[in-house]
Amino acid sequence: DTGVSQNPRHKITKRGQNVTFRCDPISEHNRLYWYRQTLGQGPEFLTYFQNEAQLEKSRLLSDRFSAERPKGSFSTLEIQRTEQGDSAMYLCASSPDRGVATQYFGPGTRLTVL
Amino acid sequence: AQSVTQLDSHVSVSEGTPVLLRCNYSSSYSPSLFWYVQHPNKGLQLLLKYTSAATLVKGINGFEAEFKKSETSFHLTKPSAHMSDAAEYFCVVRTINTNAGKSTFGDGTTLTVKP
Repeated sequence: DTGVSQNPRHKITKRGQNVTFRCDPISEHNRLYWYRQTLGQGPEFLTYFQNEAQLEKSRLLSDRFSAERPKGSFSTLEIQRTEQGDSAMYLCASSPDRGVATQYFGPGTRLTVL
Repeated sequence: AQSVTQLDSHVSVSEGTPVLLRCNYSSSYSPSLFWYVQHPNKGLQLLLKYTSAATLVKGINGFEAEFKKSETSFHLTKPSAHMSDAAEYFCVVRTINTNAGKSTFGDGTTLTVKP
């Protein structure tokens, strides 16, 4: 299976710690997206990459959040000085580079901040 | 700007009866619309999508949806529910403007299927 993969699947951390998540998109997909999903809500857009360029960032992405895609392949999402409000499912998606192409989602990383 | 409203947070049907999950959208441009399903502890799976071709879209597992511009709706239907359809369903809107970035999700509809 060559779908979108995310690691780790679960992360428990203490408030104030830094965490980093990884996303490996489908190999031929140039676009990569990060979303956050809290309980009872739909996923909310965080940021979007076209190859290595970060083209759009949501105002939800505070200065404690940073995302990179250095070689245009995998991406990392780092949260510094985590807060309890950061507890959520973090979803990654990828798509081909054409129009409004379908986004394919990974299984997500569930973050719990104690 | 774009937004999605899923009109029912919970829908309960009996196995073998029709399913209707309602979705209204708002978009400043011509929208593309999607329905995704999320089973517990599983990733989001695409059911179907509308991208300005035929207004009646057929998807996987017997689901279909009809794009109605005059009503700004994209309701999801299935003639006969199966127990395995029990899941969370999300309606999604995207528009082509300066880029094809974010998807805007509705808050989801939980579908329960009773035996």
